[in-house]
Amino acid sequence: DQQVKQNSPSLSVQEGRISILNCDYTNSMFDYFLWYKKYPAEGPTFLISISSIKDKNEDGRFTVFLNKSAKHLSLHIVPSQPGDSAVYFCAASAGFGNEKLTFGTGTRLTIIP
Amino acid sequence: KAGVTQTPRYLIKTRGQQVTLSCSPISGHRSVSWYQQTPGQGLQFLFEYFSETQRNKGNFPGRFSGRQFSNSRSEMNVSTLELGDSALYLCASSFQGAGTEAFFGQGTRLTVV
Repeated sequence: DQQVKQNSPSLSVQEGRISILNCDYTNSMFDYFLWYKKYPAEGPTFLISISSIKDKNEDGRFTVFLNKSAKHLSLHIVPSQPGDSAVYFCAASAGFGNEKLTFGTGTRLTIIP
Repeated sequence: KAGVTQTPRYLIKTRGQQVTLSCSPISGHRSVSWYQQTPGQGLQFLFEYFSETQRNKGNFPGRFSGRQFSNSRSEMNVSTLELGDSALYLCASSFQGAGTEAFFGQGTRLTVV
């Protein structure tokens, strides 16, 4: 049972435009959400997180939105740059610090110059 | 600050053998988690060690085991290797626990032939 779902395996976006990556979850106990970026032959790199008490968190070009009623979160990257081309994983946990991260299957983002 | 170090980077083993993977976390981090990544499956949680104790375990058979030493370094062991164990094994360290921002190593690519 996939509790965290990223339904788009891939996404292509023009350089300079907005990239929107989506993630849905089914476990209502999840209260902490994270996005990771992964380049080939490297481990995932933490990007940004959001607690369930918030609905938005920004860090530079990256913004994460959380819609708890829809059990949906999204990552916005504005403006998109060629270096953003990577696989993006959404992850969630229940019980801050005490529970594992449950990952989605990832979305491969390609930024077209 | 040195990052998470995993050794070896690549391994080729024969079915039925056993293997030990090593992970050195970021200095000061007490939590070490292990994940298995296979194509199309995302990252699957194996287990977490926190201050030398296994605190959380994923849904993997008992052939997968681990331990953590007093200096927080961790090892993961897989016995009686099967072809399906071929994967990228990632180690992540965090200060507060497996459900928070984790810093990943580059992984060990295990191939079972």
